[in-house]
Amino acid sequence: QSALTQPPSASGSLGQSVTISCTGTSSDVGGYNYVSWYQQHPGKAPKLMIYDVSKRPSGVPDRFSGSKSVNTASLTVSGLQAEDEADYYCNSYAGSNNVVFGGGTKLTVL
Amino acid sequence: QVQLVQSGAEVKKPGASVRFSCKASGYTFTDYYMHWVRQAPGQGLEWMGWSNPNNGGTNFAQKFQGRVTMTTDTSISTAYMELSRLRSDDTAMYYCARVPGGMAYHFDYWGQGTLVTVSS
Repeated sequence: QSALTQPPSASGSLGQSVTISCTGTSSDVGGYNYVSWYQQHPGKAPKLMIYDVSKRPSGVPDRFSGSKSVNTASLTVSGLQAEDEADYYCNSYAGSNNVVFGGGTKLTVL
Repeated sequence: QVQLVQSGAEVKKPGASVRFSCKASGYTFTDYYMHWVRQAPGQGLEWMGWSNPNNGGTNFAQKFQGRVTMTTDTSISTAYMELSRLRSDDTAMYYCARVPGGMAYHFDYWGQGTLVTVSS
């Protein structure tokens, strides 16, 4: 299965909002409501931020939200803070007990 | 609290095999699948496969089939992954990550990672 498509980079100013896209196909993103998003700071393990398209785990700020339209999922970070600067990866169930990641997006907070 | 503690860094020669461990604590080991994900230096995350501690079932990404083995030892709440016929492009950080059983496909806890360097 091919990796999901994410923009390599995204940026926003402190306090503003930014949206990161994750494009797949009807065989993965579009076919299931099992899209998740992960934040990864340098040298650290990834951290779950959103699962099942739009659900937030306990402890994740409500500034982080997720959505999906057809074959594209999106992660929106509102009220950007300096600590939000990190790499973000989407992930989707791809059928047949397989999952696939996106290539990752480096978020810069200006 | 939930913890996944992975084994230490390894240096291997091309053609060799490597075995990682991932010891789980703070939850019922058999209630969650254990997945393995790797990340080459400066690159993105790559899903490798999973093992089901409840019944020993496994599933691997097509890219790794024939080269990877995933097992679990429920008596010590530990998952293992072995990767054989190592190549230089297998140099990466390898993570274990748990996924709730049933219809769920998100990784809610991750190990700290094991760095594998493949070099002659």
